[in-house]
Amino acid sequence: GENVEQHPSTLSVQEGDSAVIKCTYSDSASNYFPWYKQELGKRPQLIIDIRSNVGEKKDQRIAVTLNKTAKHFSLHITETQPEDSAVYFCAASNTGGGNKLTFGTGTQLKVEL
Amino acid sequence: DTAVSQTPKYLVTQMGNDKSIKCEQNLGHDTMYWYKQDSKKFLKIMFSYNNKELIINETVPNRFSPKSPDKAHLNLHINSLELGDSAVYFCASSRYGAGETQYFGPGTRLLVL
Repeated sequence: GENVEQHPSTLSVQEGDSAVIKCTYSDSASNYFPWYKQELGKRPQLIIDIRSNVGEKKDQRIAVTLNKTAKHFSLHITETQPEDSAVYFCAASNTGGGNKLTFGTGTQLKVEL
Repeated sequence: DTAVSQTPKYLVTQMGNDKSIKCEQNLGHDTMYWYKQDSKKFLKIMFSYNNKELIINETVPNRFSPKSPDKAHLNLHINSLELGDSAVYFCASSRYGAGETQYFGPGTRLLVL
């Protein structure tokens, strides 16, 4: 089955700096890669996703890049703000091979003033 | 209107008891999920239903039994609760499957004493 590794487990940045979270996946058939943000005590919510036919996707201050050959994808947050502090999860699924989304282990991002 | 709702939000119970968690979505989605999030924040899929049919059943003890009376509802019944069952249980739904955005419920915080 799919295995998703995520690094780092914790990340502390100064407000205004950039933050990068990296994930690797094992199943070369995976073709859908979402990122979820979970604030303390709240539910996970999708912030951005990318499919395997695209190498990069941006939405304002967040971007995701995908390298299918190396089987890794990354989340980039620019101009970080205190409200970006949360746990971020990457995930991967093979949309043609089942209905399972496999999550990474999460990254606790702290944006310090 | 709440898209995905769960009841109860908190559940404190003794070892050996049986409890149920209910989930409802009003998004018209075909697929619903149960996830377990442990104290280390790992999000792990337990079950997935597509239009009332069980399609994912991870290696979960058979003390856990999901039921989907219709595609808008997915309940989770847990028999003979154990200390290790303490976690946050999230229900989620997506339009067609794991290649679509998953919308999570607020979570049910279960504490087994």
